Amino acid sequence: KQEVTQIPAALSVPEGENLVLNCSFTDSAIYNLQWFRQDPGKGLTSLLLIQSSQREQTSGRLNASLDKSSGRSTLYIAASQPGDSATYLCAVSVNQFYFGTGTSLTVIP
Amino acid sequence: KAGVTQTPRYLIKTRGQQVTLSCSPISGHRSVSWYQQTPGQGLQFLFEYFSETQRNKGNFPGRFSGRQFSNSRSEMNVSTLELGDSALYLCASSLGGGDLHEQYFGPGTRLTVT
Repeated sequence: KQEVTQIPAALSVPEGENLVLNCSFTDSAIYNLQWFRQDPGKGLTSLLLIQSSQREQTSGRLNASLDKSSGRSTLYIAASQPGDSATYLCAVSVNQFYFGTGTSLTVIP
Repeated sequence: KAGVTQTPRYLIKTRGQQVTLSCSPISGHRSVSWYQQTPGQGLQFLFEYFSETQRNKGNFPGRFSGRQFSNSRSEMNVSTLELGDSALYLCASSLGGGDLHEQYFGPGTRLTVT
């Protein structure tokens, strides 16, 4: 069974700092990997989707990379803002999506 | 284009009752997946429907069931509710098979079982 781990579980940074969130998975035979953010009590908002043949995707201040062979993905957030405060989840797909437990990010003004 | 909608948004039920949740996907999307989110277990996959057929199923008891209609709208039913069923239930829609395409989530239904 696919296991997805996200480290750290919580992160607090001052506004303007660049940061990296990590996601690791046990089975490298994935179709794709998707990063989401979730605000308290809300649904998930899709941030980036990386297909298995891709190495990275970028959207604005966000950049996600994928290394299938090592079972790792990183989400890089540049110039963090208080509005980036949320829980960030990664999910890998193999017949279904398997989610990590998330990283709770707090950006301090 | 309208996003994924879920109704109702909040629900309070008593142990032993049954409940039906509804999900309307993004127009043109044919796949709907359901997830249960709890503080202890995180997000867990319940099942996926594609073109009115259950395509995949997670590891949940038979009390959890679902269906999809010809317009791609989906319903999830939980019978004989237990206290442990209290959770945020999320549905996600995608263009094709859920594990191959980007998933878009609805706001969720918060179910409380007393």
